[in-house]
Amino acid sequence: GAVVSQHPSRVICKSGTSVKIECRSLDFQATTMFWYRQFPKQSLMLMATSNEGSKATYEQGVEKDKFLINHASLTLSTLTVTSAHPEDSSFYICSARAISLNEQFFGPGTRLTVL
Amino acid sequence: AQKVTQAQTEISVVEKEDVTLDCVYETRDTTYYLFWYKQPPSGELVFLIRRNSFDEQNEISGRYSWNFQKSTSSFNFTITASQVVDSAVYFCALRMTSGSRLTFGEGTQLTVNP
Repeated sequence: GAVVSQHPSRVICKSGTSVKIECRSLDFQATTMFWYRQFPKQSLMLMATSNEGSKATYEQGVEKDKFLINHASLTLSTLTVTSAHPEDSSFYICSARAISLNEQFFGPGTRLTVL
Repeated sequence: AQKVTQAQTEISVVEKEDVTLDCVYETRDTTYYLFWYKQPPSGELVFLIRRNSFDEQNEISGRYSWNFQKSTSSFNFTITASQVVDSAVYFCALRMTSGSRLTFGEGTQLTVNP
């Protein structure tokens, strides 16, 4: 139980395009989902926290207009990187917190490469 | 503010050696959780352990053991008889009991050589 999936697992796009990453909780309902970014050889940095049905809370320094987060249902959150640039290339990881469980479960991550 | 420090950036050992990964944390909260995660080259975070601040008993799970010392704010992780498959980045993390935000350390890259 408590499986979180991400799609796509890997994406390569051209500079200036937008990329959408999906995060799904497969066997539980998640009131809260988290989006992290991890650059090579660095730790996970929290980008934003999203609660189902409300606006995401962004961490300091994260541009909300560039990283659009939608948490429309209890099992799906999406992160859209708008007008992507090479410096946005990173590993993006989501996690989901179950209503009934006091724990976060992590997705497998999405590797974004912007050319 | 919360902070997790993993002073060892990289550790390299030979198979079958024991290795300890250090984790020191800072928090003003009286109740909290501590975690260890493993991140193999594939990138997926693998949950290893969660420890409540109330519980200072050391824990052993197979070749893994954890030493929680509240007096020194440390939560160290030891792998006994290391194996090549243990090669990964290991992250220590902290969360308030009442919150959901995880604070990660910088990670320790462990390389186990045959």
